[in-house]
Amino acid sequence: AQSVTQLGSHVSVSEGALVLLRCNYSSSVPPYLFWYVQYPNQGLQLLLKYTSAATLVKGINGFEAEFKKSETSFHLTKPSAHMSDAAEYFCAVSDNWGGADGLTFGKGTHLIIQP
Amino acid sequence: DTEVTQTPKHLVMGMTNKKSLKCEQHMGHRAMYWYKQKAKKPPELMFVYSYEKLSINESVPSRFSPECPNSSLLNLHLHALQPEDSALYLCASSQGRELANYGYTFGSGTRLTVV
Repeated sequence: AQSVTQLGSHVSVSEGALVLLRCNYSSSVPPYLFWYVQYPNQGLQLLLKYTSAATLVKGINGFEAEFKKSETSFHLTKPSAHMSDAAEYFCAVSDNWGGADGLTFGKGTHLIIQP
Repeated sequence: DTEVTQTPKHLVMGMTNKKSLKCEQHMGHRAMYWYKQKAKKPPELMFVYSYEKLSINESVPSRFSPECPNSSLLNLHLHALQPEDSALYLCASSQGRELANYGYTFGSGTRLTVV
């Protein structure tokens, strides 16, 4: 069964600094990986996804992630943090794009932006 | 239309009440999902419908009863809930026919409070 581990339940960065949110996956088959953002009292918004095409994936709001098979990682980065990036971020995995098994989520990382 | 619409946005119900949550999408997605999210936790899969048939039930108590009347609509019927069932209930949909378009779209959720 697939799973993802997010390192760090809380990450704090200064406005304008680099954002790095870590995600490692465990899957017996090539995984499909996703990053979602959740603002307070809202649903989940897709930031980006990896579906075995390019290993460097660019998403919305200036975020990107790199799939590294050798490290089983899919870390999320943004060069310069903005106050509006403060939210909960979830890494998720699926190993069956043709079927309907749903997503397995990591525990989430709360991103805090210091002014 | 690229949205998943959930109604109501907020619901307060007593432990003896019967209520329903509604989810609708018009993207032609053939898989639909119910997730439950407790505060400061990741979403947890409850049910999956694939081509209008229940394909996954993650051992959810019978006081939660899903229904998929057609390919665009998903309901969650609630009866005799407990206070610990208070949570954000998220609906999602996906399509898996083309890998490039593979992904999950989430609604904004229904915030349920059981009193």
